[in-house]
Amino acid sequence: EAQVTQNPRYLITVTGKKLTVTCSQNMNHEYMSWYRQDPGLGLRQIYYSMNVEVTDKGDVPEGYKVSRKEKRNFPLILESPSPNQTSLYFCASSLTGGVPYEQYFGPGTRLTVT
Amino acid sequence: DAKTTQPPSMDCAEGRAANLPCNHSTISGNEYVYWYRQIHSQGPQYIIHGLKNNETNEMASLIITEDRKSSTLILPHATLRDTAVYYCIVRESGAGSYQLTFGKGTKLSVIP
Repeated sequence: EAQVTQNPRYLITVTGKKLTVTCSQNMNHEYMSWYRQDPGLGLRQIYYSMNVEVTDKGDVPEGYKVSRKEKRNFPLILESPSPNQTSLYFCASSLTGGVPYEQYFGPGTRLTVT
Repeated sequence: DAKTTQPPSMDCAEGRAANLPCNHSTISGNEYVYWYRQIHSQGPQYIIHGLKNNETNEMASLIITEDRKSSTLILPHATLRDTAVYYCIVRESGAGSYQLTFGKGTKLSVIP
């Protein structure tokens, strides 16, 4: 089954404790992306990757890192999480970055930083 | 990308057609219209997209006006599982169009 998977689905952590949220897709997609969703602010893009070893900042990259060493994986790294990074995070992928290809989203990771 | 305007909420009776409007009066010639939906904090789900012509797939139909300044997403027989927030998004083709800009969308409630 074609899908985007994220782990963990739920995470509660403390300020400053490094964490990684994994994202994997099995569709051989070139493009992958991370979004965060907050009440009243909608979905905002954090980082995206056009292909292996090619990443770029989205609208809200501060406090996050990403890497793309393999085509299927695109982990999101929070080196020193802070409470303002409490959010619902979605990973997405598509065949390529441009139109007309649709993006497939993962199920989401709900992160709470205390 | 062009800005879109959608009603904040709509109701639809179960089994009836749900018609969700979207205004994109500043759309340019190379911009596509996309529809996604999000069911209660799940990941957004792609529904359909189009450029000029009307489109239909197994989920929905997309009707784009001739001047392309507005469109309507039609769910032909709405079910309770179609209750979700529906997002109309306009995306430009070509380099740089890599992200989806989600607005507030329309919250569709399907009523038994």
